[in-house]
Amino acid sequence: GDSVTQMEGPVTLSEEAFLTINCTYTATGYPSLFWYVQYPGEGLQLLLKATKADDKGSNKGFEATYRKETTSFHLEKGSVQVSDSAVYFCALSVRGSTLGRLYFGRGTQLTVWP
Amino acid sequence: DAGITQSPRHKVTETGTPVTLRCHQTENHRYMYWYRQDPGHGLRLIHYSYGVKDTDKGEVSDGYSVSRSKTEDFLLTLESATSSQTSVYFCAISEDGQSSGNTIYFGEGSWLTVV
Repeated sequence: GDSVTQMEGPVTLSEEAFLTINCTYTATGYPSLFWYVQYPGEGLQLLLKATKADDKGSNKGFEATYRKETTSFHLEKGSVQVSDSAVYFCALSVRGSTLGRLYFGRGTQLTVWP
Repeated sequence: DAGITQSPRHKVTETGTPVTLRCHQTENHRYMYWYRQDPGHGLRLIHYSYGVKDTDKGEVSDGYSVSRSKTEDFLLTLESATSSQTSVYFCAISEDGQSSGNTIYFGEGSWLTVV
């Protein structure tokens, strides 16, 4: 079936450190891949997405590249800030699956210290 | 921000009582979803709708029902609340459910506690 596995948290970093959150997937079809971010007490916001192999999604200094050969979509940021502290969710959707629904990973809590 | 309003935002209810959560959108999107979020599980789909009066089950639909009588409103009902339904509930909408690259937008969540 369709599923996402992402790195267990929590992740704790100092400001300006490099961030990687690993995400791998299995999909019955050709998926689109997403990273969502959830700040405390808020809903999920789309951070970035990629819809085909080798596409790179980017936003707010975050990047992720759709790697079909390794079925991965790792999230990276070169220099994190305290304001990046949040829960990050990797997700996929597959054409032909339940009408555009998302399959989520379990989320990775990121805490950035000044 | 997508125009999604969930109500109530916070509710405490007793076991065995019915509860209805409302999702209202101003985007005129065809597709609407209810997810629940629990620690260690990410978000899981409860029910979804692909049009007025058109709904279907997700992966954790037991104990829940939904209704969509207008494009803008999608109601989630817990027929008889149980403690296992204590969770954060998120409504989501999308314009084109057929496209796998389509973006899904989320509401701010409804925190439900069943005591």
